[in-house]
Amino acid sequence: QLQLQESGPGLVKPSETLSLTCAVSGGSLSSSYYYWGWIRQPPGKGLEWIGSLYSGNSYYNPSLKSRVTISVDTSKNQFSLKLSSVTAADTAVYYCARRDPERGYSYAYWGQGTLVTVSS
Amino acid sequence: DIQMTQSPSSVSASVGDRVTITCRASQGISSSLAWYQQKPGKAPEVLIYAASSLQSGVPSRFSGSGSGTDFTLTISSLQPEDFATYYCQQVYSFPLAFGQGTKVAI
Repeated sequence: QLQLQESGPGLVKPSETLSLTCAVSGGSLSSSYYYWGWIRQPPGKGLEWIGSLYSGNSYYNPSLKSRVTISVDTSKNQFSLKLSSVTAADTAVYYCARRDPERGYSYAYWGQGTLVTVSS
Repeated sequence: DIQMTQSPSSVSASVGDRVTITCRASQGISSSLAWYQQKPGKAPEVLIYAASSLQSGVPSRFSGSGSGTDFTLTISSLQPEDFATYYCQQVYSFPLAFGQGTKVAI
């Protein structure tokens, strides 16, 4: 059974870079068959797609594109999110997830989410 | 970019009620739409993919329909465990986009 687990600092100072990692178990990031991505949810608000990684290519939300990098480390079977120059508006629960071709490219697997607060 | 508009933003219903949530895409997305359920403090879970395909393990009281720009999620007989927030998402093209959510409350 595929499992995803986010990790990283729960508190980041304004103007700094938010860095999160998603550890994958029960599946391999080396496969180019799946999309791996990040989604966030500010407290009390809706879901926002951040970006996806697929077969070595990255796709980002235009509203975040200048600040976001998603990368993969196949040796550790994990992928990462970096968001630079954060502000309070970046405070959110951050989820990593996998899109499945077998399920219409929906996000069929999600991590539990990790809350990141931007504050000095 | 494709925008997704859900309605209503919230609905009050009772156990046994039929509930319908709509989602409209700003341009055609074929059947490339997913519906998710999210309960407080939990990650979303996919209910419906490809507009009308029921995810394994999801009760048959949930159904999805539509194609092109207009989509519907229907709960035929609301159960206590169905009180949650529901989101649609277009998976047709990047950037992917979610609807703003519909909270189903008692």
